[in-house]
Amino acid sequence: DGGITQSPKYLFRKEGQNVTLSCEQNLNHDAMYWYRQDPGQGLRLIYYSQIVNDFQKGDIAEGYSVSREKKESFPLTVTSAQKNPTAFYLCASISRGGGQPQHFGDGTRLSIL
Amino acid sequence: AQKVTQAQTEISVVEKEDVTLDCVYETRDTTYYLFWYKQPPSGELVFLIRRNSFDEQNEISGRYSWNFQKSTSSFNFTITASQVVDSAVYFCALSAPESTDKLIFGTGTRLQVFP
Repeated sequence: DGGITQSPKYLFRKEGQNVTLSCEQNLNHDAMYWYRQDPGQGLRLIYYSQIVNDFQKGDIAEGYSVSREKKESFPLTVTSAQKNPTAFYLCASISRGGGQPQHFGDGTRLSIL
Repeated sequence: AQKVTQAQTEISVVEKEDVTLDCVYETRDTTYYLFWYKQPPSGELVFLIRRNSFDEQNEISGRYSWNFQKSTSSFNFTITASQVVDSAVYFCALSAPESTDKLIFGTGTRLQVFP
């Protein structure tokens, strides 16, 4: 079945450590997105990519980095510069144009050790 | 600027009651899309419905119905005869092609349906 796979489901970060969240899709979608969700809040956009080898900052990009070397993959790195990384991270993809609904992965829950 | 407001933070109902979740949006785009997503306790976001700005027809799908009114910039969602399985957080969201299809989410409404 086509879909979006996020891994790991749970991740723990030590102080000063960079961690990478994986997002893979086999939907042949052009655009991919990373959102952060804090308790009691909506989703906020971190980074997005509309095409391979190109990506743009969202509303809360500080402390995060991404790459888009393959169409299927859009990993997110939470760097040590992100001082409050504890959150639920969701990856999404969309076939460009026409206001299509974004498809979401199951999310990664990141906590500080 | 685009904005989505879900004023109801949490709603509790007893099974079989009808419940309406409110959504008000702001945008200057003439072409835009509105969405409802459901987030059950497991965390994934499940797409429920999409409407475009040129289609104000209300829609009914089983126990779900949606009321889109451009005059009041609202896109409300009603669940008829609610069930315990409807318990989740519901998000309203807005996107526009001119904004690269980024989704602007409301803060969500937590619905609890008690037996």
